[in-house]
Order: sequence, then C-alpha cells, then structure tokens
Amino acid sequence: AQSVSQHNHHVILSEAASLELGCNYSYGGTVNLFWYVQYPGQHLQLLLKYFSGDPLVKGIKGFEAEFIKSKFSFNLRKPSVQWSDTAEYFCAVTGSGGYQKVTFGTGTKLQVIP
Amino acid sequence: GAVVSQHPSRVICKSGTSVKIECRSLDFQATTMFWYRQFPKQSLMLMATSNEGSKATYEQGVEKDKFLINHASLTLSTLTVTSAHPEDSSFYICSAKFFGTGDYEQYFGPGTRLTVT
Repeated sequence: AQSVSQHNHHVILSEAASLELGCNYSYGGTVNLFWYVQYPGQHLQLLLKYFSGDPLVKGIKGFEAEFIKSKFSFNLRKPSVQWSDTAEYFCAVTGSGGYQKVTFGTGTKLQVIP
Repeated sequence: GAVVSQHPSRVICKSGTSVKIECRSLDFQATTMFWYRQFPKQSLMLMATSNEGSKATYEQGVEKDKFLINHASLTLSTLTVTSAHPEDSSFYICSAKFFGTGDYEQYFGPGTRLTVT
C-alpha cells in the first residue's frame, strides 16, 4: 500500500527565511508526486507536480521540489518565504496511470511571521 | 484551468436526515471523481472513487449504504449522506480527473462543510 510521511507538522518561520518541508513516500512502482497548498479558508490548490523527466520541479509562487528516487523523497523548498505563504501544505503520491488513487500526507502547517 | 465546484458550500442538517452534496466539473469532462473527508487539523481521507456510469469504489471502513455516491454524467457526481449523525459532521471535498494528454492531475472543489445537529 502506498503511504506518505510529512515529518514537520508545524513550522514557524520569519519572512525571508528559507523553507524546506520534508516528504517521504512508500510505493512499489512508478510514482507521480504532488504538493498541494491550502490557504486559510480556501480549497486545495496544486503547487507543483512531478510525473517524469527533470527531478527538480518548479511550481507556482517560487516553490520547487526535488524528486530523489533513491531516498523516496520529494521535499518542497522556497528560498525566501513571505507572510502570504502561511498555509497548510500537503504532499501526495499516486501510482502512474489514470485510475490510481492519490494518497495524501498529514500536512504541514506553515506559519510565517512578518 | 480546470474548475470544480461544489454545492452547497455549507449545510446544517438535523440528525437523522439526509443531505446531498454536488460536485461538478465546469469546463472539462471528468471520467473519475473522488470524494474525500477532511477532519480538523488532519489530512484528506479518501472515501470513494467514482467512475462515470459505474458503481463507486469505497475505501475500507467507509459505509457505502451511508455515503451514497452517484456519478451519472461526465460533469456531475453526488454524495448523499443518509441518516446523518453528529459524527458525520466534517468537511467533504471532491476532486475530478480528466485524461487529456496523459495529465493525471486532480482538480479539487472548494469543499462542503457539513454540520449535523
């Protein structure tokens, strides 16, 4: 069975600090990986995704993530966070193929202090 | 981009009644829709996968007779919570997939807050 672990449950950073959120997954095949963000009071939005190709994926709002197959990781990074990045971030994994279900991690709540 | 809507956004119902939540893909055809439940401060829990024209596939532990899912068209799936109880109060989120050009991304609806009194 596939699973996703997000080790940081709550992260507090000052504006301009660098961010790295950990995500490790378990799946016995080819994976598709996602990071979603949920701003307060809003619905889930896709930040970035990895299907194949370059393991360094760039998403919206200056976020990027690196797929390291040997470590089963897909960590999310941003060099300089802003107060508006305060939100909850979810890592998700699915097997390749359209009918595979998506498994979400437990989420990381990011609080950016002005 | 692809848009998924849910209706209603909030609903309050009395214990023992049923409530229906609609999920629509507004600008694409969704052959597969998913229903999730999100508990406070927790992640999304997949309840069921719904393919157009066929019966939904429920995850282990989800009562299919309580959470009725219908995916009658390529743009609409409904979740009916039957004989609702206070423990069914939660945030229900749907998502939809389409399979153009190998894009397996899911698009999420804004969610429906159900409160059972």
